[in-house]
Amino acid sequence: HSALTQPASVSGSPGQSITISCTGTRSDIGDYTYVSWYQQYPGKAPKLMIFDVTNRPSGVSDRFSGSKSGNTASLTISGLQAEDEADYYCSSHSRESTLLFGGGTKLTVL
Amino acid sequence: DVQLVETGGGLVQPGGSLRLSCTASGFAVNSDYMTWVRQAPGKGLAWVSIMAIGGTTFFSDSVKGRFTVSRDISKNTFFLQMNNLRTEDTAVYFCARGISSGHAAYDVWGLGTAVTVSS
Repeated sequence: HSALTQPASVSGSPGQSITISCTGTRSDIGDYTYVSWYQQYPGKAPKLMIFDVTNRPSGVSDRFSGSKSGNTASLTISGLQAEDEADYYCSSHSRESTLLFGGGTKLTVL
Repeated sequence: DVQLVETGGGLVQPGGSLRLSCTASGFAVNSDYMTWVRQAPGKGLAWVSIMAIGGTTFFSDSVKGRFTVSRDISKNTFFLQMNNLRTEDTAVYFCARGISSGHAAYDVWGLGTAVTVSS
């Protein structure tokens, strides 16, 4: 079963907004509102940033927001900060294989 | 404090076996979904297995038939038994807890334990 498709890299300047896309199929993102986003620093464990497409866990900055349209989910980070530089992964429940991850997107803050 | 600690990683030859443990504190391993996720060197996250609250288990195609999961409630520990290991199983293995207020999302993660499969 294929992973979800994310851009390999995105970049932005401090203060700007960026959006990371995550494209799946009707068997995963298209049919379920169970999309999550994780932030991971090198050598560290992933951190949940968004769940159920739009929800933020307690303690996550409101600069992070999620959305979904059709088979594509998106993570938007507004007011970029240097500390946002990390890898970001989307995941979705999948009818066929229970849980799928995207390939990951490296965010560079210029 | 809610925490997960993985242990049991190491170097094993192809075809060998290894059992990883994930010990929880601050919550009960049978009160939430629990998952194993792995990350090969320089690669992205890959789902391995899930155990539902009732004990039902699910596995990715890449490990089905070779890996099993279990839990010991008295030790508050979640296990991943890995048999017939292959070089492509080399990865850091993370265990994580399902968020109770959502779906297919994991809000508490361990630091991971490294598994190297090599002759």
